[in-house]
Amino acid sequence: ETGVTQSPTHLIKTRGQQVTLRCSSQSGHNTVSWYQQALGQGPQFIFQYYREEENGRGNFPPRFSGLQFPNYSSELNVNALELDDSALYLCASSLTSSSYEQYFGPGTRLTVT
Amino acid sequence: GQQLNQSPQSMFIQEGEDVSMNCTSSSIFNTWLWYKQDPGEGPVLLIALYKAGELTSNGRLTAQFGITRKDSFLNISASIPSDVGIYFCAGPNSNYQLIWGAGTKLIIKP
Repeated sequence: ETGVTQSPTHLIKTRGQQVTLRCSSQSGHNTVSWYQQALGQGPQFIFQYYREEENGRGNFPPRFSGLQFPNYSSELNVNALELDDSALYLCASSLTSSSYEQYFGPGTRLTVT
Repeated sequence: GQQLNQSPQSMFIQEGEDVSMNCTSSSIFNTWLWYKQDPGEGPVLLIALYKAGELTSNGRLTAQFGITRKDSFLNISASIPSDVGIYFCAGPNSNYQLIWGAGTKLIIKP
């Protein structure tokens, strides 16, 4: 069984640029959730994708968008990067959209300068 | 909005000690989850609780779902060096989205 993988591991971008982060869900899981984790804090829910549709969104602006593909892998896109977007971005997969037991990837560390 | 408060924020442990931490909220939760995060990694699910009063163990870890449904507790018995890390509680809010505490950091006493 393959766990959740994310790419890239680290990324440095300049304010105003755009970034795409990628996630492959655990085998058999059809739901992917994305979180932002600032240093010293718990993860904050960005949004969830279930069967290629957005299935819930946290308190993040529209410049945070996502996609889920037929194989349940997912992308997180952030436009017009701001310094405050610097964080660890975590992807988690779950068996179904109604399951709260989520399995996380190692994250992508994004630094915006 | 709903918030989860974890205490203590950090604690120093000596190998062999028992450890207790808790998570409280002003709102009722129907599910409590405990995760551990090591540096540079994503959180790992330790224990999930679904019923008020439930007590569940995972090896040396035991977690309880408080009977008021506004708190949960995690205990680690006979701690070992690999227990060091950050422990998070999490629960679904009214929109079925997981919200998280700020974590309890376990540090080994020098």
